[in-house]
Amino acid sequence: GDSVTQMEGPVTLSEEAFLTINCTYTATGYPSLFWYVQYPGEGLQLLLKATKADDKGSNKGFEATYRKETTSFHLEKGSVQVSDSAVYFCALQTNAGKSTFGDGTTLTVKP
Amino acid sequence: EAGVAQSPRYKIIEKRQSVAFWCNPISGHATLYWYQQILGQGPKLLIQFQNNGVVDDSQLPKDRFSAERLKGVDSTLKIQPAKLEDSAVYLCASRGQGGTGELFFGEGSRLTVL
Repeated sequence: GDSVTQMEGPVTLSEEAFLTINCTYTATGYPSLFWYVQYPGEGLQLLLKATKADDKGSNKGFEATYRKETTSFHLEKGSVQVSDSAVYFCALQTNAGKSTFGDGTTLTVKP
Repeated sequence: EAGVAQSPRYKIIEKRQSVAFWCNPISGHATLYWYQQILGQGPKLLIQFQNNGVVDDSQLPKDRFSAERLKGVDSTLKIQPAKLEDSAVYLCASRGQGGTGELFFGEGSRLTVL
């Protein structure tokens, strides 16, 4: 079945450091790929998405590129802020609308 | 635009008791999902509705869990009888027809089974 694997956390960085959170997936067909974020005390919300190979999703300084050849969708940000501290979930969605999530990566950014 | 509403936010019950969670999706959203999120894990799909029909319930433990979406709007998830391992956050999400595929989540219902 479909699955999403995220790099194990937690991740702790200093402010202005570079961030990479790895995500790989297994799916039949051509799913859409998403990153969701959960800030402390809040619900999950969409951060960015990509719907086909080589698409780049971006939002709030975060980027991820849909790599079909490596079945990956790694999340990157060039300079993290304390306010980026949250749990990040990689997810895929099939054409039938079924969404599968990774286990999440907790990011803590220290000033 | 109102978001996805869930209730109750918190529930504590004894094992073997029953519990029900309610979800009201964003107006006009045809697809509704229930996820179970155990601490430290990602959301796991329990059931997916399209309007008032079930699209996928392959991971729903049907001996104790049930869900319905009457009239294709709000939905109820029930657990009877509850087990200790059912302690989790139950998330409801909705998605509009077509478009981006983005899921909109409620704040979740946290269940503790003692």
